[in-house]
Amino acid sequence: DTAVSQTPKYLVTQMGNDKSIKCEQNLGHDTMYWYKQDSKKFLKIMFSYNNKELIINETVPNRFSPKSPDKAHLNLHINSLELGDSAVYFCASSQGQGPTDTQYFGPGTRLTVL
Amino acid sequence: DQQVKQNSPSLSVQEGRISILNCDYTNSMFDYFLWYKKYPAEGPTFLISISSIKDKNEDGRFTVFLNKSAKHLSLHIVPSQPGDSAVYFCAASAWGGTSYGKLTFGQGTILTVHP
Repeated sequence: DTAVSQTPKYLVTQMGNDKSIKCEQNLGHDTMYWYKQDSKKFLKIMFSYNNKELIINETVPNRFSPKSPDKAHLNLHINSLELGDSAVYFCASSQGQGPTDTQYFGPGTRLTVL
Repeated sequence: DQQVKQNSPSLSVQEGRISILNCDYTNSMFDYFLWYKKYPAEGPTFLISISSIKDKNEDGRFTVFLNKSAKHLSLHIVPSQPGDSAVYFCAASAWGGTSYGKLTFGQGTILTVHP
């Protein structure tokens, strides 16, 4: 049983479109995250939710909107996609927010904007 | 401004030898450090961590060393095995301040272990 799952695994779309990536965790964790791995391979945090509340919102364009319908799900909606949004997006979850709360990552969603 | 850097994009070692992966950081507020391992088409998985109150942490074949004065940490894998071939990410966090609750990653080092 996959602990953190993401759908879709691959997403190819045109500039200007709106798309969503879904994330689900079955670990019973309270905290969920979205990270972006850019072309330089750095993994950078975008958002973090704890018990459905937004707690970290890094400098991300407001075209990106996370939504947490419940503790087990954190979806990422992207409006008006741009070429620079092409990246691999990883969802993660952890029990708490502290450094010793191990973050478990999903397999990633590779987004390609044409 | 990258606060965590892994300056070696790749490392190649022979099976049975030691692999040493290096990581440097600039933010003195970081006080907890982690290594993650990533196979192709999978997400990163936690490998080992170290708190800034220690200078060494060992878990089986994996040992992480921390040199706070140099703002440098390293991961030693002894002996290296072909199954260790993966991308290794260094990450840093903190118990407080703006780095609390998030991981700041380096860009990764591709380790290849040859049989």
